[in-house]
Parts: sequence; structure tokens; C-alpha cells
Amino acid sequence: NAGVMQNPRHLVRRRGQEARLRCSPMKGHSHVYWYRQLPEEGLKFMVYLQKENIIDESGMPKERFSAEFPKEGPSILRIQQVVRGDSAAYFCASSAGTPPNTGELFFGEGSRLTVL
Amino acid sequence: GDSVTQMEGPVTLSEEAFLTINCTYTATGYPSLFWYVQYPGEGLQLLLKATKADDKGSNKGFEATYRKETTSFHLEKGSVQVSDSAVYFCALENSNSGYALNFGKGTSLLVTP
Repeated sequence: NAGVMQNPRHLVRRRGQEARLRCSPMKGHSHVYWYRQLPEEGLKFMVYLQKENIIDESGMPKERFSAEFPKEGPSILRIQQVVRGDSAAYFCASSAGTPPNTGELFFGEGSRLTVL
Repeated sequence: GDSVTQMEGPVTLSEEAFLTINCTYTATGYPSLFWYVQYPGEGLQLLLKATKADDKGSNKGFEATYRKETTSFHLEKGSVQVSDSAVYFCALENSNSGYALNFGKGTSLLVTP
């Protein structure tokens, strides 16, 4: 399967712990996007990255959240000192083209974070 | 800011019934509009899109027309199948950045035999 791969699919953390979510884009894609879906909400844009660069992080909470897309390996969304409000589904998407790409995003299945 | 409102689910239909899922939007300018679908156990997939007013997007028997007058982009299908059971998301392209899509909450559709 050459689609966008996210892991883990499900992650349970206690308050104060760290959560790391990984995303491998589709083969040949160099643009990665992270979205969050809170319960009863639509997906919300968080961050857009290219290899080794954060292009737009306007949707990221100012504290505790960070993202990277290193030269080698998957993109990582890191949440430090998680709180219950971080419980959500986190979706990664990738694209081949340079934005604006009129929605040609390919999404992974999502990682569901539960904070106890 | 730009936003999308879509009808609440779940929607349950019998096979071969007509489907409408309503979607309205609020935006500055005329953003591109999309419908994404998420089948069980899979990621979101682009179903169809329209990039300007009066455009009709279509795919797999689904259609949606970009209506500027009513700021709507309703999804329709004339005869649904059990395999259409999924969650459908309406989205628009954020006017400030072409890659940041604003999604609705999603509408779950269940089609029964």
C-alpha cells in the first residue's frame, strides 16, 4: 500500500506524558500537512511542512505542540505534557504539488489519541 | 473566518434511495469547494471538487454544484449502494492559504440492503 501511513493508529496517554505521532507521506510526495479532529468537530488545519522546513504552523497551539519533517524518515507530530483536551483524531495528509493545489491532498487513516 | 456547515448525521437510507447531504459555506471570495469521503478503516479520499461558481463536480455517481447565490455545495446521488456507507466531509479552501482546508463535521451515511 503506497498510501499515507500513520502510526500508531491508537495511542493512550496519561496526563503529563508525551505523545508522538508519525506520518509517512505517499511515495514521491514532499508536502505534509497535519489536521486535528476534536470530538464533534470538523478537521482543523494545524501545520504544513516540507522536508526540513515548517512552512505554515498557524493552526498549531502555541505551547506543547511541535512538528517536524526531517530529511530522512517520517514526519512527527509531538505533543508534550498532554491534557485531556488533546484527545482527538490526528490526520496526516500529503501532496505532490506546490500549493495552492486545490485540494489534492491524500490522507492517512488517522491516529486517535486518548488522554486519561 | 471561512467555515463550512453540513447536515448532521447519521443518515440511514435503503439501497437505491436518493441521497442529499446539505453543505453551506461562509467565505470571503470564492474558494474551491470539495467533498471528501472516509470509508470504514481508511483515510479521507477526495470524492469531487468544484473550483468556481456554477461548476459541477462529479464522481462515482455523486454530484455537487457550486452555488454562489445560496453559498451551497450539496452532495447528491440518485441511487445509493451499500458500498456508499461512509462518512462524508464537505470542505473549502481557506482564502488565506490554498492548502489549508476548512472541513465540516462530517455526515455519516449508512445504506441498508
